[in-house]
Amino acid sequence: QSALTQPPSASGSPGQSVTISCTGTSSDVGGYNYVSWYQQHPGKAPKLMIYEVIKRPSGVPDRFSGSKSGNTASLTVSGLQAEDEADYYCSSYAGSNNFGVFGGGTKLTVL
Amino acid sequence: EVQLVESGGGLVKPGGSLRLSCAASGFTFSSYTMNWVRQAPGKGLEWVSSITGSSGYIYYADSVKGRFTISRDNAKKSLYLQMNSLRAEDTAVYYCARDCEGSTSCLEYWGQGTPVTVSS
Repeated sequence: QSALTQPPSASGSPGQSVTISCTGTSSDVGGYNYVSWYQQHPGKAPKLMIYEVIKRPSGVPDRFSGSKSGNTASLTVSGLQAEDEADYYCSSYAGSNNFGVFGGGTKLTVL
Repeated sequence: EVQLVESGGGLVKPGGSLRLSCAASGFTFSSYTMNWVRQAPGKGLEWVSSITGSSGYIYYADSVKGRFTISRDNAKKSLYLQMNSLRAEDTAVYYCARDCEGSTSCLEYWGQGTPVTVSS
């Protein structure tokens, strides 16, 4: 049950775009289209932002988009806003024996 | 409106036990896989345990296997986590989370979390 690999930090200025990567293996990210992304503000519960690699739950701005290539998934935040500053976690289904696994998290700073 | 409310957290000594509860409302509880996810202080998220709607499939992270037991009571719309042989490294905020509809390993709704501290 190895965690997925995310960069510890990312940053961008308001209005810019930033992409956060999430690297796994063929047993998780690369093997299934069940990658999700969560946003967590300090002291709050995580919030689902992207699921099944590219889908957005109702109410999530279309500034947030997801993609995947091979064993690496990505979250792109376009038109950065101050309220986007938060921790972001990816997760992936990892098979019936391992179920779900999270990445270590990326702290996004809006400069 | 979907609501998940955890309870049962607190301070417990190493080797002790604690039972967490999660009361659900606003959806057909028995139709969804439910999950426990924890977050140690200043650390990332860790998937702890999952249970399908009929309790037919249960998953545990290696770090808690043999010590924690997940269960649910669909009539009471409640999810539980029995935690035994607690260790310092189990100290965390424990979240109850509901799967996305029609998907898997996708946590659409989360509770506010209940803190567990294991310390002598």
